[in-house]
Parts: sequence; structure tokens; C-alpha cells
Amino acid sequence: EVQLVESGGGLVKPGSSLKLSCVASGFTFSSYGMHWIRQAPKKGLEWIALIYYDSSNKYYADSVKGRFTISRDNSKNTLYLEMNSLRSEDTAMYYCAKFWGGYWGQGVMVTVSS
Amino acid sequence: DIVMTQSPFSLAVSEGEMVTINCKSSQSLLSSGNQKNYLAWYQQKPGQSPKLLIYYASTRQSGVPDRFIGSGSGTDFTLTISDVQAEDLADYYCLQHYSYPYTFGAGTKLELK
Repeated sequence: EVQLVESGGGLVKPGSSLKLSCVASGFTFSSYGMHWIRQAPKKGLEWIALIYYDSSNKYYADSVKGRFTISRDNSKNTLYLEMNSLRSEDTAMYYCAKFWGGYWGQGVMVTVSS
Repeated sequence: DIVMTQSPFSLAVSEGEMVTINCKSSQSLLSSGNQKNYLAWYQQKPGQSPKLLIYYASTRQSGVPDRFIGSGSGTDFTLTISDVQAEDLADYYCLQHYSYPYTFGAGTKLELK
């Protein structure tokens, strides 16, 4: 059974940093590109980043480019999202996802507030 | 960036009715290489993660009831739900994965009349 489990969220102040993790199981993690998607409270879905299976390519939404970094450790079956210079508008539920097959984690909440 | 214009914003329906949700992309999502449209539909119920319903515009994900039908090509796409059930009340989103950055439609809230 495919499972994606996010962690690392919390309440942080504007300008600070946070690193999210997503541990994958039930499939060959090193063979698939992985995504981060977020959803602000009572708002729609926003795709924010993709990393290829071998980390050879990374793509970002304009709203996070230069502040967020997606990475992965295939030896640990883990996807990461490093978030710097956080703003109030980054407050959201963050999901990791394997689009092929339609697998999403349960999400982790990030709140940016003073 | 490709802009996905989804309509309507909300829809009130009765059980048993048929509903149509539309998504229009600012550029064609049809790949000339494999003739596939890179458009997916997701369903999200309150407090849950999104669930993939349709991919390549019209291919139903395994386990999705056949009352969910995706259609369209190029820039115009439709999700049709025939014989709406109470369990179908949710938010629906289209997603283009033709080019980066991927983009979602704004969503359609399906409510009970």
C-alpha cells in the first residue's frame, strides 16, 4: 500500500525558515517524480514544486521560487521542502504527492504569524 | 504560465441530477507526441486530501465510479457527473500538467440543493 506521510509543520514567525519532510512507502520511491502542493485555509489548491526521480530537474511555482527548495533522499525514501523567508501568505496545508496513481499524503499545516 | 479557468464556482444540485463542470486552459494541453491531453480532475471532500478522478482528460482512475466522465481536448474540458449521489458533494479541481508550473483551476463546490 502506498503511503506518504508529511511532517515538520508548525507555527513560525514571518521571515523564519521551516523544513518539511515526506516519508514514502509502498512503491519504488527512487523511480518517480514527486510534488508539493499547498492549500491556504478555505482556498484552492496550488501546485508549488516538482523534483524528478533522480533530482536532475526541479521546478517551482513563481510564488515560491527563490525561497523554497525541493529535495529528496532516495536512500531514505524521503522528500523535503525547505522553506525560507516565510510570509503570512505561505500559511497553508502542505501536501506531498506522487501524481502517477494519484497518491497524496494527509498534509501538514504551516502557519506563519507573528 | 498556463491559466486554468474553471466554472462554475459553485453548483447546487439534487441527488440524481447530472452536473457539468468546465475547465478552459489558456494554451492547448494536447501533446502532439502522444495525442494525450495533460488534464486531470480531482475531488476533495472536507478535511481530506484530494482524490484523483480522471487523468489524460478522459481516463477514469481505478475505482472511480463510471458516473464520473471526463471529456474535451485542446483547451476546453468538462467533468460530467451523472446521477449525482450525496457522497459526491465535494470540491472539484482541474489540473494541467502539460507544462511547468503546473496549475490548478480555482475549484467548483458541489452542494446539495
